[in-house]
Formats: sequence, structure tokens, C-alpha cells
Amino acid sequence: DIVMTQSPDSLTVSLGERATINCKSSQSILYISNNKNYVAWYQQKPGQPPRLIISWASTRESGVPDRFSGSGSGTDFTLTISSLQADDAGVYYCQQYYTTPSPTFGQGTKVEI
Amino acid sequence: QVQLQESGPGLVKPSETLSLTCTVSGGSIRNNTYYWGWLRQSPGKGLEWIGSIYYSGSTYYNPSLKSRVTMSVDRSKNQFSLKLTSVTAVDTAVYFCATTSGYYLAPFDYWGQGTLVTVSS
Repeated sequence: DIVMTQSPDSLTVSLGERATINCKSSQSILYISNNKNYVAWYQQKPGQPPRLIISWASTRESGVPDRFSGSGSGTDFTLTISSLQADDAGVYYCQQYYTTPSPTFGQGTKVEI
Repeated sequence: QVQLQESGPGLVKPSETLSLTCTVSGGSIRNNTYYWGWLRQSPGKGLEWIGSIYYSGSTYYNPSLKSRVTMSVDRSKNQFSLKLTSVTAVDTAVYFCATTSGYYLAPFDYWGQGTLVTVSS
């Protein structure tokens, strides 16, 4: 299985400041034939399921504020929250869906205000 | 918009079988776009994909759980189900049902609220 490793495990960011979360895959998840990176990002708040916020490394889902952005290619990916709002507190996960047999997730990064 | 709701016992004894059902509303389980999946989340292992099933009955299982997992679809009830046999304490987790679009290897776009299953005598 592809291992997804996130860093840091947690971070504390002031309101209005930038938050940056990194995710590294154990092998490339860039599919050369379509030039797509098979990585997604989720936000999870206590007592709720994860919410898909970014797919294909950089495509924001409908309704996701544009302060959230994803970047990276190959094995290294980043989720950036450009100006942190109180509602952004939670745990963020990356996920690869590149190869069989299993989609796998990072261990999560807790964002606190 | 598809909505999912898990149901099943919250307490299962060790060595017994965990059985959960996910009821789909706002869409048909026969929709050939969606794959229907189960995941779980525990403090020790984070988010783990258990398996996915297509409306036709094709299944895809996590190899680490494959020997104990069975998934099925009930088209008449718009539901899909999970059975996990021979459970132990390590199977204690919040279990989610979720969908992917186009293939089982895809982002999970719709999720149920999750149900806590505790394995204990």
C-alpha cells in the first residue's frame, strides 16, 4: 500500500494567518498519461464525518471557500489555508486513490486556533 | 444530493460478527455512477478503508481485512451492508459508509454520520 505521511501532526495558527499542511506519499501518485495527481484533502470536525474539500490535488469542491488551496505533484503535496477563520479548526487528512488495492489516508493534522 | 445513514448494533462481543447497514436516500443505489464504501476510524489506526461495492455486486476489499469482510447490496431497500466476522477489540471504531464516483479508487464525496461500534464482552 502507498503510505501517506502528514506533517506536522498539529499546528496552532492565529486568526487571519496562513496554515500549511504537508503530505508525502511513499511513491508517486501522478498518473503520467492524464497528468493528474490522485490525492484528496478532507476536513473533519469533532463528531462529524470527514468532508471532502479538495480532489485531484488542487480542485476545490463546490462550496469550499477559496482560502483553501491544494498544490504539489508526484510525492509531495500541500494544503494551504490562506487566512485562517475560526470555522477552520479541525483535523485535516490527505488521501491517495492512485492504485489498487486500497485507498489510504494520512494520519491527520490537527489545526487549532 | 445523496444522503447516507448507518445503522446496526453499537456493541458486539469478541469473536462474533459485526453487521452494519447503510441506507441511501436522495438517490438510487442502482445509480451506475457510484461505488458504495465502508470505512472506519479508530484512535489507533486513523481512517481505514474497509471495502467498496458496486450496485452490480462487484466488491473490492482491503487485503488486510478481506478474509473477514463481506459486503452486499439490497437494491429493493436501497441499502448496502457490511459484515465483519471474528471481531476483537481492535475492531472497535466509528464506522462510516461513504460514496465514490466513477470507481472505488476515487475521493469519498458523500459520507454518513458514522456509528460507533464497540467490541467488548
